[in-house]
Amino acid sequence: EAGVAQSPRYKIIEKRQSVAFWCNPISGHATLYWYQQILGQGPKLLIQFQNNGVVDDSQLPKDRFSAERLKGVDSTLKIQPAKLEDSAVYLCASSPRLAGIYNEQFFGPGTRLTVL
Amino acid sequence: SQQGEEDPQALSIQEGENATMNCSYKTSINNLQWYRQNSGRGLVHLILIRSNEREKHSGRLRVTLDTSKKSSSLLITASRAADTASYFCATDARDSSYKLIFGSGTRLLVRP
Repeated sequence: EAGVAQSPRYKIIEKRQSVAFWCNPISGHATLYWYQQILGQGPKLLIQFQNNGVVDDSQLPKDRFSAERLKGVDSTLKIQPAKLEDSAVYLCASSPRLAGIYNEQFFGPGTRLTVL
Repeated sequence: SQQGEEDPQALSIQEGENATMNCSYKTSINNLQWYRQNSGRGLVHLILIRSNEREKHSGRLRVTLDTSKKSSSLLITASRAADTASYFCATDARDSSYKLIFGSGTRLLVRP
């Protein structure tokens, strides 16, 4: 079974530029998550999709971050414009079932973003 | 804010020794999960323990949960160099999203 795919793996941009990340979850997984992981910290949830609907985006900085999950499969996360503090690893994860209390999550390798 | 906090922040042991990591959390939970993250890679799910369970085993892993103290521990027995990684506990938010809230992690180094 193929895992969660993410691209690109690395991205370096100047502040105020825009950037987009792509995620392809494991086939058939209903729930998709985007996390931000700053160096030395644990992942912080940015947004959670169930199929193509948003379940939780309470920690997404909506003035600069946006995300969509078209047709309930692939997802993109965009930052526009980027700030220095956005430098982090962006992790995508998926879960086979609808949001529930016993869901384990399967993570992709992440995209390491450096904002200069 | 982070629900779970791991202790210690870093741990260095010799191969073959046991490694114990602790996690404390603040609010009631449905379950607690442990994940491993190798350097520069995504997280891998290790084990899930439900709030009505006290202990769970998986291979060389043993997890305990004490809901009265709001704490959990992860024991890795007979450690190997390949166990070198960061370990995170994650607890679910008791709201309709069932989202996970991760702690800050314990960085484990197993010396050959």
